[in-house]
Amino acid sequence: ETGVTQSPTHLIKTRGQQVTLRCSSQSGHNTVSWYQQALGQGPQFIFQYYREEENGRGNFPPRFSGLQFPNYSSELNVNALELDDSALYLCASSFLTYEQYFGPGTRLTVT
Amino acid sequence: EDQVTQSPEALRLQEGESSSLNCSYTVSGLRGLFWYRQDPGKGPEFLFTLYSAGEEKEKERLKATLTKKESFLHITAPKPEDSATYLCAVQTGGTSYGKLTFGQGTILTVHP
Repeated sequence: ETGVTQSPTHLIKTRGQQVTLRCSSQSGHNTVSWYQQALGQGPQFIFQYYREEENGRGNFPPRFSGLQFPNYSSELNVNALELDDSALYLCASSFLTYEQYFGPGTRLTVT
Repeated sequence: EDQVTQSPEALRLQEGESSSLNCSYTVSGLRGLFWYRQDPGKGPEFLFTLYSAGEEKEKERLKATLTKKESFLHITAPKPEDSATYLCAVQTGGTSYGKLTFGQGTILTVHP
């Protein structure tokens, strides 16, 4: 059974640029959630996707957007990057609203 | 607004010295409380889900318990490899999606 995978592992971007992060769900899972984790903090919920539609959103601006594909993989897009967007971005997959299993994360640095 | 507070922020133990981590929560309609372990620079690793007050779950040296206001993660005779950040999260009811609200974590260091 393949776990949750994310790419890339690390990314360095300049303020104002756009970034796309990718996530592949664990086998048998149909729901993907994205979280942002700042250094020394717990993860914060960005949004969740189910049946290729956004199914709930946290307190993040519209420049954070996402997609879910028919194979349940997902993308997180962030436009107009700001310095405060520097964080570990975590993807988690689940079957509906049951236990969420996390990927290794993408470390984004905005300079 | 759902709130989760973990204490202590950091805990240093000697190998074999048992202790407990606390997770207190204020939510409307708890659907489940989750414990995760996170190693530096990695994603959280799922440990336990608790659904109702009085429930207990065990895995190796870890035991999680739940009351109506808090959860405890008991660590019995810890080893250095138990060193990690332990995260608590709540999933609230009345919604059609599974948002997790996390605490800030407890950093556990076990010295040999």
